[in-house]
Amino acid sequence: NAGVTQTPKFQVLKTGQSMTLQCAQDMNHEYMSWYRQDPGMGLRLIHYSVGAGITDQGEVPNGYNVSRSTTEDFPLRLLSAAPSQTSVYFCASGPMGTEETQYFGPGTRLLVL
Amino acid sequence: SQQGEEDPQALSIQEGENATMNCSYKTSINNLQWYRQNSGRGLVHLILIRSNEREKHSGRLRVTLDTSKKSSSLLITASRAADTASYFCATDAWNNDMRFGAGTRLTVKP
Repeated sequence: NAGVTQTPKFQVLKTGQSMTLQCAQDMNHEYMSWYRQDPGMGLRLIHYSVGAGITDQGEVPNGYNVSRSTTEDFPLRLLSAAPSQTSVYFCASGPMGTEETQYFGPGTRLLVL
Repeated sequence: SQQGEEDPQALSIQEGENATMNCSYKTSINNLQWYRQNSGRGLVHLILIRSNEREKHSGRLRVTLDTSKKSSSLLITASRAADTASYFCATDAWNNDMRFGAGTRLTVKP
């Protein structure tokens, strides 16, 4: 099992550009989520999904869109990148929401100029 | 807003010593989880403790939970240089919205 994979590992964007961060898991987990981590801070939840076709907002959803068309994939879209979105983004998955262990991907480091 | 807050923010100890980190939170929880993050890497799950549990062990790790004080502690015994990492507590309040603290940065000197 590859677990949770994320691409790209690193990305530089210009203000106003859009992009999609990819996340995939091969553990057949229903729950998937996206977090951002800023320097010296913990993770903050952006969006989550409890199954294909179902998504919901987390603590900091503004500027981000998600969709969940399959159990395996949960892409995060930045609609119009801003410098405030410079961060490290982590995708996670779990078998039963947040009631059980979460498995994290290696992260995507995003720099918005 | 962050739910959990770790204390201390940073901890430096010698190899072989024990390390204790504390986590306080604000609302009722379903469970509390501890994660480790090595520099520049993803988070790795350490222990999950449910609201009806008071103590759990896993190898050199011991976690306690006091729901009356809304606090938890993580003890790492006989620490090793490889334990150097940031440690985060995360709380689940039955709503699929897991909240993380800012973490404790542990340095274990050989």
